[in-house]
Amino acid sequence: AQSVTQPDIHITVSEGASLELRCNYSYGATPYLFWYVQSPGQGLQLLLKYFSGDTLVQGIKGFEAEFKRSQSSFNLRKPSVHWSDAAEYFCAVGAYGNKLVFGAGTILRVKS
Amino acid sequence: KAGVTQTPRYLIKTRGQQVTLSCSPISGHRSVSWYQQTPGQGLQFLFEYFSETQRNKGNFPGRFSGRQFSNSRSEMNVSTLELGDSALYLCASSFPRDNKDEQYFGPGTRLTVT
Repeated sequence: AQSVTQPDIHITVSEGASLELRCNYSYGATPYLFWYVQSPGQGLQLLLKYFSGDTLVQGIKGFEAEFKRSQSSFNLRKPSVHWSDAAEYFCAVGAYGNKLVFGAGTILRVKS
Repeated sequence: KAGVTQTPRYLIKTRGQQVTLSCSPISGHRSVSWYQQTPGQGLQFLFEYFSETQRNKGNFPGRFSGRQFSNSRSEMNVSTLELGDSALYLCASSFPRDNKDEQYFGPGTRLTVT
């Protein structure tokens, strides 16, 4: 069965510092991977996606993620965090029938 | 292009009642999926509809049901509400039906069961 692990429940970074959020997946075939962000009381916004090809994908708001098949990872990165990036981030793998399997999420706190 | 809309945004119901939530997908999108989000269980897939047919279903009891109309709008129904059904219910739309298509989420309906 498909599964996604986000090992960090909370992460705190200083504004302007770099960020890396970890994501590991388990999937039998070529995975389709996504990162979503959720602000309090809001729905999910797609940051970026990986379907195939270049393993480094660029997304919105200055985020990028790197797919590493050997490590079953799809970590999200941002070189310089802004206070407005504080939110909860979800990694997901696309499974059969348009189903998304989500990780538990990582709450990002940004300190000034 | 308008995004995914969900109505109502907030609901308070009593145990044993039933509730219907509505989702209007992005224009042209034919697939609608529903998810339940709770602090304990996280985001869990309920079901997906495509062209008025349920294509996939998650591990939820039969009290949870849904349907899709010819204009792709979808509703989900929860009967005999339990306290544990309190959650944020999110719907997502995509086009066409394929697990690699990006899904766009609505703002959710916050259901509180008392």
